[in-house]
Amino acid sequence: SQQGEEDPQALSIQEGENATMNCSYKTSINNLQWYRQNSGRGLVHLILIRSNEREKHSGRLRVTLDTSKKSSSLLITASRAADTASYFCATDDNNDMRFGAGTRLTVKP
Amino acid sequence: DGGITQSPKYLFRKEGQNVTLSCEQNLNHDAMYWYRQDPGQGLRLIYYSQIVNDFQKGDIAEGYSVSREKKESFPLTVTSAQKNPTAFYLCASSSHRNTGELFFGEGSRLTVL
Repeated sequence: SQQGEEDPQALSIQEGENATMNCSYKTSINNLQWYRQNSGRGLVHLILIRSNEREKHSGRLRVTLDTSKKSSSLLITASRAADTASYFCATDDNNDMRFGAGTRLTVKP
Repeated sequence: DGGITQSPKYLFRKEGQNVTLSCEQNLNHDAMYWYRQDPGQGLRLIYYSQIVNDFQKGDIAEGYSVSREKKESFPLTVTSAQKNPTAFYLCASSSHRNTGELFFGEGSRLTVL
């Protein structure tokens, strides 16, 4: 079963704009991770945020975690056409790593 | 370079045939995983292994089998018992189960004719 659910399912923006994707989950977690997948390729790890952290940055990525609301957001600033991909959140609930269905991001040049 | 190698990238199978997907890693990781991805869907866990000669079923293990005879290798067999095997299969590894980043291979796309 899927643990995380991303929102929106699809997002289309212009180059230079910011993109925000959200993830909601159901049970307690140790950490939450975000991954990126280009079409037909494997997933690439972007960032991990632990349950005791509220915000984390990596380059143009900013991730927040609200354990009281069981939600996380991924912000990509100053988007580029090369950011076009699907983005997945994954949660660790002490049993298995669970992935959501992803947000398909399209950045138009 | 260290990483995970999946092969073949594309595979076609006739109904009733078993096929084996290869997954090799040289990252010295203990844990390895197989996921299935259907179009527009997230990843669903088929099997995972935390250590050599041990593996556990995931959410959708029916119709699949695995082995872990070597630390580096975790092949997946899609048997004829799998009713809808056409999918994109992803192998991943991590240093320890559920303690951090998963490293993924490039995937194997299986099509049943």
